Amino acid sequence: EAQVTQNPRYLITVTGKKLTVTCSQNMNHEYMSWYRQDPGLGLRQIYYSMNVEVTDKGDVPEGYKVSRKEKRNFPLILESPSPNQTSLYFCASSTLTGGKNIQYFGAGTRLSVL
Amino acid sequence: GNSVTQMEGPVTLSEEAFLTINCTYTATGYPSLFWYVQYPGEGLQLLLKATKADDKGSNKGFEATYRKETTSFHLEKGSVQVSDSAVYFCALSDRNSNYQLIWGAGTKLIIKP
Repeated sequence: EAQVTQNPRYLITVTGKKLTVTCSQNMNHEYMSWYRQDPGLGLRQIYYSMNVEVTDKGDVPEGYKVSRKEKRNFPLILESPSPNQTSLYFCASSTLTGGKNIQYFGAGTRLSVL
Repeated sequence: GNSVTQMEGPVTLSEEAFLTINCTYTATGYPSLFWYVQYPGEGLQLLLKATKADDKGSNKGFEATYRKETTSFHLEKGSVQVSDSAVYFCALSDRNSNYQLIWGAGTKLIIKP
């Protein structure tokens, strides 16, 4: 089954404790992206990757890191989480063939930073 | 730059009512347009799309027509059900912007039995 898998689904942590949210897709998609969703602010893109070893900042990259060493994986790293990073995070992937960028989303990771 | 504006919610309707959720866009090129839906506790999923002017996207009884003259992509459904309760996002993708999806703020739809 074609899917985007994020782990964990729920995470509670404390300020300053490094964490990684994993994202994996099995559709051989070139494009992957991370978003955060906050009430009243909609979806905001954190980072995206057009292909392996190619990553770019989105609208709200501060406090986050990503890497794209393999096509299927796109982990999101918070080196020193802060309470303002408490949010719902989504990973997405798509193929850019045909230029349509139809994105497939993971189920989300709800992060609370205390 | 590119942008998407959609009507604020929540939109509350009774079952079997007619639904319209407005979406307008600004874009420098010729974007593709999308509606995504987010059911409670889930990620977003594509509902429908249109890739050129006058295209009509449709799925699950929902429709939206790409209107270049009014730069709009309004979502409609003739008879909503309780199960349609969700958050609906309008988005565009433009080659000139590296195909990044530009998102509207989302419209929460509540259908009462």
